[in-house]
Amino acid sequence: SAVISQKPSRDICQRGTSLTIQCQVDSQVTMMFWYRQQPGQSLTLIATANQGSEATYESGFVIDKFPISRPNLTFSTLTVSNMSPEDSSIYLCSVGGYNEQFFGPGTRLTVL
Amino acid sequence: GQQLNQSPQSMFIQEGEDVSMNCTSSSIFNTWLWYKQDPGEGPVLLIALYKAGELTSNGRLTAQFGITRKDSFLNISASIPSDVGIYFCAGQFSIGNEKLTFGTGTRLTIIP
Repeated sequence: SAVISQKPSRDICQRGTSLTIQCQVDSQVTMMFWYRQQPGQSLTLIATANQGSEATYESGFVIDKFPISRPNLTFSTLTVSNMSPEDSSIYLCSVGGYNEQFFGPGTRLTVL
Repeated sequence: GQQLNQSPQSMFIQEGEDVSMNCTSSSIFNTWLWYKQDPGEGPVLLIALYKAGELTSNGRLTAQFGITRKDSFLNISASIPSDVGIYFCAGQFSIGNEKLTFGTGTRLTIIP
């Protein structure tokens, strides 16, 4: 399985600001995904990020709020824009495809 | 978005006991995955199931892909302290639609 790292591992931010989360993989992968895990909840897919194309967002998530970059096959960023306390969650990237997906350690975000 | 129903929501067991949990869906999935999440970490893939009726083991863990393709089961035999955590099932539709739909999670606690 791929080794996935995320930066930052955690952050505390003020409302109205933005945070960019980085996801780095140790091998080239076609598909990368960004998930949100709200406190005490399960994981919900935000978007699928494929290199060379615009990210595909799930219902309830929009590009203006969660812009995503995928400049190459080993890296992606997710920005949480104009944050509010409701954005306090763990944000996780994953890689893989059909039959298996592997997750990074997550970024724990607290918005005050 | 859709979430899969997982039960039980939580379990309190003694070390050495066997554990059973299940996951049900209103949709048919072609792949079922089971993950374990420890506090402060991303989910770790435990078992992947690819075919209806399939029974797969990984050490003390055994999982089954329901014959209707709408459910899956995970059993843990002879539980040990490191089994503590949250277990998630996840369903996947097909190649070209690789996103994961997660279950609501089962929190396992071992009583000393």
